[in-house]
Amino acid sequence: QITLKESGPTLVKSTQSLTLTCSFDGFSFRTNGAGVAWIRQPPGGALEWLALIYWDDDKRYSPSLKSRLTITKDTSKNEVVLTMTNMDSVDTATYFCTHHRLVASRPWGFDFWGQGTLVTVSS
Amino acid sequence: QSALTQPPSASGSPGQSVTISCTGTSSDVGGYNYVSWYQQHPGKAPKLIIYEVSKRPSGVPDRFSGSKSVYTASLTVSGLQAEDEADYYCSSYAGANNYYLFGTGTKVTVL
Repeated sequence: QITLKESGPTLVKSTQSLTLTCSFDGFSFRTNGAGVAWIRQPPGGALEWLALIYWDDDKRYSPSLKSRLTITKDTSKNEVVLTMTNMDSVDTATYFCTHHRLVASRPWGFDFWGQGTLVTVSS
Repeated sequence: QSALTQPPSASGSPGQSVTISCTGTSSDVGGYNYVSWYQQHPGKAPKLIIYEVSKRPSGVPDRFSGSKSVYTASLTVSGLQAEDEADYYCSSYAGANNYYLFGTGTKVTVL
């Protein structure tokens, strides 16, 4: 049973940085192909893929946000941390972490999701 | 890097079928067979219902089916039920640079 849970501040000020932690269970980065992604959704809006990190520390970022994002993992703690710098009101959204995997080098979908955490950016 | 295009809404009566389109380009939908679909009920996290264009994860009813033609992927929900009323999003792998794109989302209403 794979579970994920996001944690972090619910309110950040404009220009500040946001640090979110994804704690998970039911899989390990010691397993080839394992990955964790961050996806966000503004209120009433669509999903947007942000970043992904794989078991081998391969990291991928959304090109439009790449300069502001950093994703890291702690294999021993089963945690993934996402940092987003220079937050703005348009970054107000629910941030989800998800399980993802490569199977025979084929990317599967995002098959398990955390409940999400709403982050509001205030001026 | 642009979002994949979906119709804002779709509807059908119970028992009917509804099909949602997801249009991309040769760099995403048209270039790879890695299209997935997600169902999201209000206030809930999305749920994977289709991956690799047409495969269903365990536990997803076979009323949900996926297909793809050139740059457009489609999700068909057959035998509509009240619990199918939700938002649906497509997603596609978009290569090493863009990696993943989501669609604009479609709200399905069961009349």
